[in-house]
Amino acid sequence: ETGVTQTPRHLVMGMTNKKSLKCEQHLGHNAMYWYKQSAKKPLELMFVYSLEERVENNSVPSRFSPECPNSSHLFLHLHTLQPEDSALYLCASSQGLAEYNEQFFGPGTRLTVL
Amino acid sequence: GQNIDQPTEMTATEGAIVQINCTYQTSGFNGLFWYQQHAGEAPTFLSYNVLDGLEEKGRFSSFLSRSKGYSYLLLKELQMKDSASYLCAVRDGDYKLSFGAGTTVTVRA
Repeated sequence: ETGVTQTPRHLVMGMTNKKSLKCEQHLGHNAMYWYKQSAKKPLELMFVYSLEERVENNSVPSRFSPECPNSSHLFLHLHTLQPEDSALYLCASSQGLAEYNEQFFGPGTRLTVL
Repeated sequence: GQNIDQPTEMTATEGAIVQINCTYQTSGFNGLFWYQQHAGEAPTFLSYNVLDGLEEKGRFSSFLSRSKGYSYLLLKELQMKDSASYLCAVRDGDYKLSFGAGTTVTVRA
């Protein structure tokens, strides 16, 4: 595996379900990010981790819970979601948090909440 | 809040040139990125500008004017595979990227 991978690629869940999204980066980076991409809207930054410590929690509802067990893995735990949470959830990583570091994105998980 | 504007859609003919403009008003500025995103795929990095001027990379060039809060991405010798969404993103702090909504470019034969 190379780059940034995400599983599952597609997920359909009911509002009472609990599920988790997984992201893994194979680039040796030490910063990881979760973004939400809704149709025709800009990417919204949700969470940022650097060296496994959360450095940003961008006013995200508590029904989204991130976890970063090590620098290569990032999870997004989902529970009691709402239909408006349906979107593409993108994971990204970068070498560090410095301004010139480009972010490498995974292919995303397409989430549908019924 | 951050305000990053780019056109919603553009259409051009194969072999032509297209220029995608991006204007921004942000609380800080530490560089501007352009990403390409094909439908159903991950955004991929195209360019990074932090100083004024033009950066050229093959068929793609990116320009920045910090005093005007303006950038453009220039796509030359358009190919069908260039049909995608192009995202303008501004680093407005230490690490935060604020994105525009993206410009969908359609290349026609």
